[in-house]
Amino acid sequence: QSVLTQPPSVSGAPGQRVTISCTGSSSNIGAGYEVQWYQQLPGTAPKVLIYGNNNRPSGVPDRFSGSNSGTSASLAITGLQAEDEAEYFCQSYDSSLSGLVFGGGTKLAVL
Amino acid sequence: QITLKESGPTLVKPTQTLTLTCTFSGFSLTTSGVGMGWIRQPPGKALEWLGFIYWNDEKRYSPSLRSRVTITKGTSKNQVVLIMTNLDPVDTATYYCAHRTCTSSCFIDYWGQGTLVTVSS
Repeated sequence: QSVLTQPPSVSGAPGQRVTISCTGSSSNIGAGYEVQWYQQLPGTAPKVLIYGNNNRPSGVPDRFSGSNSGTSASLAITGLQAEDEAEYFCQSYDSSLSGLVFGGGTKLAVL
Repeated sequence: QITLKESGPTLVKPTQTLTLTCTFSGFSLTTSGVGMGWIRQPPGKALEWLGFIYWNDEKRYSPSLRSRVTITKGTSKNQVVLIMTNLDPVDTATYYCAHRTCTSSCFIDYWGQGTLVTVSS
């Protein structure tokens, strides 16, 4: 049972927009701790897509964006492409656990 | 260019101790703000943070694994070591070492390729 809750799967057609939610609590996202999003392609290590809630490292397309509201965060992907098919994890810090916490992961299928 | 690579046994027996080494290049663990950590992922499951060691030698561990996990700097300046005791089959996972940076935000920006450790008799 992950501290941050994500839907197990989402899907969309090429060119569409999808969002992935990440629900936390008052000891992590709700407390203002920043959220990161990682993309994990099959058989590879995770790669950071979004850091500090809504910042993209250089090289990450602006089709990816992050937002927060209350105890939740969201990752939006616009102009969906076949190469976006991967698993996505959110991550934050939890003050009651005094450490990093991850979401359970969401598998994105591009139909 | 920052690179990280994990090494160690791929098969460990239950109750044994696991020692993994992360060999890195492209940065110094003595640079202020830098942290090195370990994160694992059981097959088909979510990521789980195990702990960090920071530039000032401070260490932080996951509360659920604190009694079994130790992270230290290696004998070489560019190595970090994970020691996990009393292994169980549920500890079967891919173990990643990770580099944490702090600029405007603190986050994991580099990951090793991961090493799959199987716990089985």
